[in-house]
This record gives sequence, C-alpha cells and structure tokens, in this order.
Amino acid sequence: EPEVTQTPSHQVTQMGQEVILRCVPISNHLYFYWYRQILGQKVEFLVSFYNNEISEKSEIFDDQFSVERPDGSNFTLKIRSTKLEDSAMYFCATQTTNREQYFGPGTRLTVT
Amino acid sequence: AQSVTQPDIHITVSEGASLELRCNYSYGATPYLFWYVQSPGQGLQLLLKYFSGDTLVQGIKGFEAEFKRSQSSFNLRKPSVHWSDAAEYFCAVVPFTGGGNKLTFGTGTQLKVEL
Repeated sequence: EPEVTQTPSHQVTQMGQEVILRCVPISNHLYFYWYRQILGQKVEFLVSFYNNEISEKSEIFDDQFSVERPDGSNFTLKIRSTKLEDSAMYFCATQTTNREQYFGPGTRLTVT
Repeated sequence: AQSVTQPDIHITVSEGASLELRCNYSYGATPYLFWYVQSPGQGLQLLLKYFSGDTLVQGIKGFEAEFKRSQSSFNLRKPSVHWSDAAEYFCAVVPFTGGGNKLTFGTGTQLKVEL
C-alpha cells in the first residue's frame, strides 16, 4: 500500500538555525499539507499546497516558513530561523481529489 | 465559532468491552467528518469518514461511527476492544463550504486498554 514518507524522523537544531523537513507524497496525489503537533496539544494546520502554489495558510505560517516542491516529488517545509516554540512534531499529509488525507509518520523537531 | 470538541481526554476500557468515543462539532453546515488514530510514535491513520448518505459508516480495524445531525455528533464505536487499540483518537472536520480542504482536529482522546 502506498504511503507518505518523511525525513528525518527526528531533527535537533539550535535556535536561529534553518531546518528543512522533507516529505515524499503518494505518487498520484495532488494536494499537499503540513500540520504540526506541539507536545500535549492538538494537531494544527500550517499550510496547503496545490498546483505548485500555496492554496491556504494559517496564522502560524509566517514569513519564517516556506514550502516548495523542488523536484516534482519531494515536498519540503523550511523554517528559516528556528525558535524554541517551533519544537513540535511536523506531519506531512497528501490527498487526491476525494478529501481523504494520508499522513506521514512525522518529523520530531527539537529546537534547543 | 466553528469548533470540534472531544469531551473525553482519557478513556480506559477493558479488553473485550465496547467502546464509544465522542465527537461534537459546531459548524453552520454539516462538515465532512473524519476519525484518525495515532499510535505511539506513528503518524495519523484514517479510520473512517462521513461525507453524506448512510449515517452509520464502517471503517478499518472494526471501527464504525454514527453521524447524528440533531446532536451535531459523530461518535466512534467498536463492539469489542483489543489491546492493540490503545492509542490516541482524533476527530477532524473539513468545512463543507469555504475553508478549503484543511483538517481541523479535536483535542484527541487517549484510549487505554486494560488486559
């Protein structure tokens, strides 16, 4: 069964550093999402991406965040200058046209 | 305000007992409704969904959910729980109109299964 994959599984970085989280979507999916889950809190939407552009973003997704699909397969989330409060589990999700989103296993980001 | 509520933060059941996890939503029009499960260290797995039609929907792993418009609820059920069902369960919605396709999640219910 096809699945969404994410790398790395765990990333530790120092405050102020840039990080790139990577996702490989299911091959025929067209919509891509990033969500995050701060420890002990609910899963929150960050951004959606369709047809090579952002279709929607949340208030959390400020100028420090960016997304792209550099090679037509990987879908990346970049955080330019990490803050302590960016520590969270980041999930990639992908979807066809049927509104069913399939999630990857997540990347645990720890900012020290 | 639009919201998804899971009233129970923790639930403990004995293996073999029945299970019901509650989910209520507050939206102008009935949203698209989902249940996801998150096992420790794992991502979110889609259990089932409701878009329209039959109000009792069947999902994977023996789960089912019933949509009740009058109660704005979409409760998840399982007749007989297995120890491997211990996990966190999230109700989620996508608004029927506007709001794109983003999922809005409830706060989750942590299920513990006693042997």
